[in-house]
Amino acid sequence: AQRVTQPEKLLSVFKGAPVELKCNYSYSGSPELFWYVQYSRQRLQLLLRHISRESIKGFTADLNKGETSFHLKKPFAQEEDSAMYYCALSGVEGGYQKVTFGTGTKLQVIP
Amino acid sequence: DAGVTQSPTHLIKTRGQQVTLRCSPKSGHDTVSWYQQALGQGPQFIFQYYEEEERQRGNFPDRFSGHQFPNYSSELNVNALLLGDSALYLCASSLVGQPQHFGDGTRLSIL
Repeated sequence: AQRVTQPEKLLSVFKGAPVELKCNYSYSGSPELFWYVQYSRQRLQLLLRHISRESIKGFTADLNKGETSFHLKKPFAQEEDSAMYYCALSGVEGGYQKVTFGTGTKLQVIP
Repeated sequence: DAGVTQSPTHLIKTRGQQVTLRCSPKSGHDTVSWYQQALGQGPQFIFQYYEEEERQRGNFPDRFSGHQFPNYSSELNVNALLLGDSALYLCASSLVGQPQHFGDGTRLSIL
């Protein structure tokens, strides 16, 4: 079974401080990992996926298979980064692709 | 393209009733997934439809059923509603193997 763990429910940082949102996963095969973001009163939207290896809105995430982690990082937090962040894993179960979400971390950037 | 659209936006039902939620996928998408998001939790996978068939199912009872139509739109049906079914129900569409796009959800309240 696949599992995603986000240990922090809430992360508060000051504007300009570095941000690291933690995500650990459990999956027997080669996973595809995503970060989704939900801003206030907006729908859930894809932020980035590990296979793209791109930086979106200054955020990056590296898949560490040894530590089974996919932490989301940004060097300097901005107020507009305040949102709910969900880590998600897409893997094969029962022959089909299935997506499992973590419980989410609320990022609060303090001005 | 309006993206993924869901109806209704809000719904209030009483215990024991039945409910049908609807989803129109993003143009060009052929796969629809349904999620239940309880307050303070991440989205929980209910099931996924492709080519009008249920391909994958999460840990939800048979009271939860669905359907996909030839135009790829989908319905989620819940019978014998319980208080615990109160949640935000999200629909997500995609092409096979591609990231999912989410709708705004239907907020279901059970009295």
